[in-house]
Amino acid sequence: EIVMTQSPATLSVSPGERATLSCRASQSVSSNLAWYQQKPGQAPRLLIYGASTRATGIPARFSGSGSGTEFTLTISSLQSEDFAVYYCQQYNNWPPWEYTFGQGTKLEIK
Amino acid sequence: EVQLVESGGVVVQPGGSLRLSCAASGFTFDDYAMHWVRQAPGKGLEWVSLISWDGGSTYYADSVKGRFTISRDNSKNSLYLQMNSLRAEDTALYYCAKDSGSSGYYDYWGQGTLVTVSS
Repeated sequence: EIVMTQSPATLSVSPGERATLSCRASQSVSSNLAWYQQKPGQAPRLLIYGASTRATGIPARFSGSGSGTEFTLTISSLQSEDFAVYYCQQYNNWPPWEYTFGQGTKLEIK
Repeated sequence: EVQLVESGGVVVQPGGSLRLSCAASGFTFDDYAMHWVRQAPGKGLEWVSLISWDGGSTYYADSVKGRFTISRDNSKNSLYLQMNSLRAEDTALYYCAKDSGSSGYYDYWGQGTLVTVSS
């Protein structure tokens, strides 16, 4: 099983500042990595796929980078609506056909 | 507008069975693979199962293999999850999620249906 590890568990940042979230895979997932945002009481929302491609309607302040085992989600200038939990997910589409998520990073207001 | 609406979540006793449904609209349902993803209260996301666009291929997380069965009815634009031999650790909010194609990541999610396994 591919294990996804996110760090930090909680990140405290002030509005207007940059936030950098990390995700590490236990083995290479190439660029098969997505990022999701989840706010309380809501379903997750796709932000990034292919490690670096923004999903439809996602603001340019969100960017993703990395490949292989190390990935980063950067939010360049935090807005109030960005404080949420962020999950990374690997989607290697070959046996053993598993799609694992990281444990999440909670981005909170400093 | 893409919509995914889950239903069927209830309180069930350990060892019991349940079938969840997901009604899809706003896209050509039989063009896309579909997934179930769950989230235990206060916890993270866990992929549960995948079904191909035509229902010909299905895959499961080890935690539910042999107990859960995913299926779809393309004529009804509906996705299902049959859950047997339920355990306390299956308690979660179950999301239906649309695959972006046959890619493995999810561009649309439902709002979830809550399954509680408790005596």
